[in-house]
Amino acid sequence: NAGVTQTPKFQVLKTGQSMTLQCAQDMNHNSMYWYRQDPGMGLRLIYYSASEGTTDKGEVPNGYNVSRLNKREFSLRLESAAPSQTSVYFCASSDSGRGADTQYFGPGTRLTVL
Amino acid sequence: QKEVEQNSGPLSVPEGAIASLNCTYSDRGSQSFFWYRQYSGKSPELIMFIYSNGDKEDGRFTAQLNKASQYVSLLIRDSQPSDSATYLCAVNEDSNYQLIWGAGTKLIIKP
Repeated sequence: NAGVTQTPKFQVLKTGQSMTLQCAQDMNHNSMYWYRQDPGMGLRLIYYSASEGTTDKGEVPNGYNVSRLNKREFSLRLESAAPSQTSVYFCASSDSGRGADTQYFGPGTRLTVL
Repeated sequence: QKEVEQNSGPLSVPEGAIASLNCTYSDRGSQSFFWYRQYSGKSPELIMFIYSNGDKEDGRFTAQLNKASQYVSLLIRDSQPSDSATYLCAVNEDSNYQLIWGAGTKLIIKP
C-alpha cells in the first residue's frame, strides 16, 4: 500500500517548456488535489477533483491544467513554464473531500524553472 | 478573502516543556480544523483534527478550539527533539472541498 505517489521527484525546466506531473493514489479515495508550496506561504490549492470525472479551479489555477484520468490518477500540466512556477508541488487525496476529512499527501515534486 | 494566520516563528522550546502553537481564522463558517506536521523537505502529515469547541487530546497532543474567538491551538506536552518541525493549521467549511492553510509555525525543541 504505497498511499499517494508522485513523479518526478525533481525537475528543472527552461522558461517556455512544458511538463506533466503525475500523481496516483491506491486508497480508493474519491477526491484529489494539487497544491503548490512556496517559502513563507501556506499550501495553495491549484486544482482539485471532488470525484472521478470532475475538476475545479482552486486559488491559483492560472498557467496550469489538470486531468483526472481515472479514480486513481490526477495529473497536473504546465503548458509553458515560467520562473514564477518554481515551487514544490504536492498531490493529495481524501475520501470525500468534505468536512473533517483527512488529506493524505504525496512526497512532492521540486520544480525549478530557469 | 478567507485567511488563516499563524506566527511563523521559529518558536524555541526546551525539551520536556509544553509547546503552544496558535492559529486564528477569519471565516466564521469554518467547521473543521486540522493540525498537520511537516518535517523539512517532507510532505505534510495529519496530527489531529477538531470540530467541536473545547479540547481534544491524543497522546502528547491537545487541540483546543474556541469558535467564538476564532482560534485553534495545539499543545505538545513533554516536547521531544523529534517534534521539531513546521506545524500547519488548516480550516474547512463542511460545504466546501477546499482547505484554507496557514503558512505554518516552525517549532524547534532544544535538547
